[in-house]
Amino acid sequence: DAGITQSPRHKVTETGTPVTLRCHQTENHRYMYWYRQDPGHGLRLIHYSYGVKDTDKGEVSDGYSVSRSKTEDFLLTLESATSSQTSVYFCAITGTVSGNTIYFGEGSWLTVV
Amino acid sequence: AQSVTQLDSHVSVSEGTPVLLRCNYSSSYSPSLFWYVQHPNKGLQLLLKYTSAATLVKGINGFEAEFKKSETSFHLTKPSAHMSDAAEYFCVVSETTSYDKVIFGPGTSLSVIP
Repeated sequence: DAGITQSPRHKVTETGTPVTLRCHQTENHRYMYWYRQDPGHGLRLIHYSYGVKDTDKGEVSDGYSVSRSKTEDFLLTLESATSSQTSVYFCAITGTVSGNTIYFGEGSWLTVV
Repeated sequence: AQSVTQLDSHVSVSEGTPVLLRCNYSSSYSPSLFWYVQHPNKGLQLLLKYTSAATLVKGINGFEAEFKKSETSFHLTKPSAHMSDAAEYFCVVSETTSYDKVIFGPGTSLSVIP
């Protein structure tokens, strides 16, 4: 168990509302990632972080923002949710602490109606 | 640039027969290679990883993979498939010197026929 938790695990929200997903780790990993998984597209990187307050965009970052104010938490925010953001979101962590192994959270199922 | 190719989008085997899921990669640096399994509506679980130690890597649930640098391959095998092995399998490569480069293969869906 890599000590990584995501919340909420399931959420239904309305178009146009803001949504924040939280990824929390207890292992002091430097790197944290947010992915989305959609049928036919596999896992696609949204944003990642390489330290507190250090973040960068992935391949599908439009409509998403992130923040990392402390090592253990990486927040993903949908500023104004759209139906195209209905997806399963996975957080992942890695670093020298884990011997470069990448650990994934259990996923957050988000439905935008 | 890194890339990962999983040569089969879907593999179907009979229970008790061998499993072979193929993965080829390209990487400019010494890569770390991983296989993950994902059961329906679940997260990704690590099966095994290669990080420049032994080229034959043993993982959980009887799976193993062999790193072949000359062929740039990291195929996943299991001698005897079980019904519970039916799932999606992902080959993943990351550069050990650059954690921002984590590349996923598109996945291989494994079906096990009773």
